Amino acid sequence: DQQVKQNSPSLSVQEGRISILNCDYTNSMFDYFLWYKKYPAEGPTFLISISSIKDKNEDGRFTVFLNKSAKHLSLHIVPSQPGDSAVYFCAARGTGGATNKLIFGTGTLLAVQP
Amino acid sequence: EAQVTQNPRYLITVTGKKLTVTCSQNMNHEYMSWYRQDPGLGLRQIYYSMNVEVTDKGDVPEGYKVSRKEKRNFPLILESPSPNQTSLYFCASSFYGYEQYFGPGTRLTVT
Repeated sequence: DQQVKQNSPSLSVQEGRISILNCDYTNSMFDYFLWYKKYPAEGPTFLISISSIKDKNEDGRFTVFLNKSAKHLSLHIVPSQPGDSAVYFCAARGTGGATNKLIFGTGTLLAVQP
Repeated sequence: EAQVTQNPRYLITVTGKKLTVTCSQNMNHEYMSWYRQDPGLGLRQIYYSMNVEVTDKGDVPEGYKVSRKEKRNFPLILESPSPNQTSLYFCASSFYGYEQYFGPGTRLTVT
């Protein structure tokens, strides 16, 4: 059973506009969420994270919003740039003893059109 | 430069021929982990290690072994590879409780 879901396999956005990537989760015990970006032939790289005690975290053009009641988080990229074209993975940090365990969504391929 | 390295990057092998994928990190991280990435399934954890000589199963450990004899190295061993282990493999490391750094990936094909 997929505990972290990214229901949009792909998203296409014009350069300069906002990109919104969505992620849903089922386990209310998750306490930390991360977004990773992955280019072809490279490993995922950490982008931004948010603790469950917050509802928003911002880093430059990237903002992550967390709605705990809806078990939903989103990544906003403003303005989008062609270099942002990549696969974006949402991840939740596991609970219990293995608190470093990351549970990943299936990824969303973002294409930013010039 | 802080990094996680994996070797080989690409490997084609035959069913049943034992292989090892090496992983090394130079950041003195305690935590290391192996993931596999498959279409439509995202990244799934195979094994992880919280420190030297401490390893445990992730979500999809069947058919894999690991060892952690040194802090910097965390090899993934496939004793008898099968075609369903054809996948893209990533090693990752971190300080405990912090964001994980990923290696560049190893694309394995088992025929």
